[in-house]
Amino acid sequence: EVQLVESGGGLVKPGGSLRLSCATSGFTFSNAWMNWVRQAPGKGLEWVGRIKSKTDGGTTDYAAPVKGRFTISRDDSKNTLYLQMNSLKIEDTAVYYCADLPYGSGSLWGQGTLVTVSS
Amino acid sequence: DVVMTQSPLSLPVTLGQPASISCRSNQSLVHSDGNTYLNWFQQRPGQSPRRLIYKVSNRDSGVPDRFSGSGSGTDFTLKISRVEAEDVGVYYCMQATHWPPPTFGGGTKVEIK
Repeated sequence: EVQLVESGGGLVKPGGSLRLSCATSGFTFSNAWMNWVRQAPGKGLEWVGRIKSKTDGGTTDYAAPVKGRFTISRDDSKNTLYLQMNSLKIEDTAVYYCADLPYGSGSLWGQGTLVTVSS
Repeated sequence: DVVMTQSPLSLPVTLGQPASISCRSNQSLVHSDGNTYLNWFQQRPGQSPRRLIYKVSNRDSGVPDRFSGSGSGTDFTLKISRVEAEDVGVYYCMQATHWPPPTFGGGTKVEIK
């Protein structure tokens, strides 16, 4: 069974840091280009960033609002994706999903983890 | 960034009747490789998004055939041939042609009349 399980969300003060994890199973994680997508309360979907597979260079891309503050990494030995979030702002409050968004068939999403940035 | 515009914002539908959602981009979504990377996602209340359609008209595994996607260039449509109760939710289009960043439409809320 395919599973993507996010964890690490919670309440953090503005300027603080948080590290999210996405533990996966049931598919070949090492081949996947993995993404983080977020959804602010009551709002639509916003792409946060992506990391390619190591085979394809392992490079990362980020959305403009998080570039320089967020870092995506992966540990293929643990089939786990990470999102390190620094200098958090109130507008970063959202449910964060990890997702496989292939060009072809088989998109996968986790259940999401809520990050609340508030003083 | 490519701007994706969906309409309508809200779509009340009678059970068993068809529904249609429009998605327009402010530039062509035809990739240099000849493909058009336009996706449709469904998000049921309280659930994670789920992709229904990729590359304009290809259904993902397990997606009922009452869902169909069409369009080209900058103009795309998701159709539900006969709406069922389980189709209630918000639908998003997303372009993956001009990456980064991939961009989503604002969403269309489908509800039962």
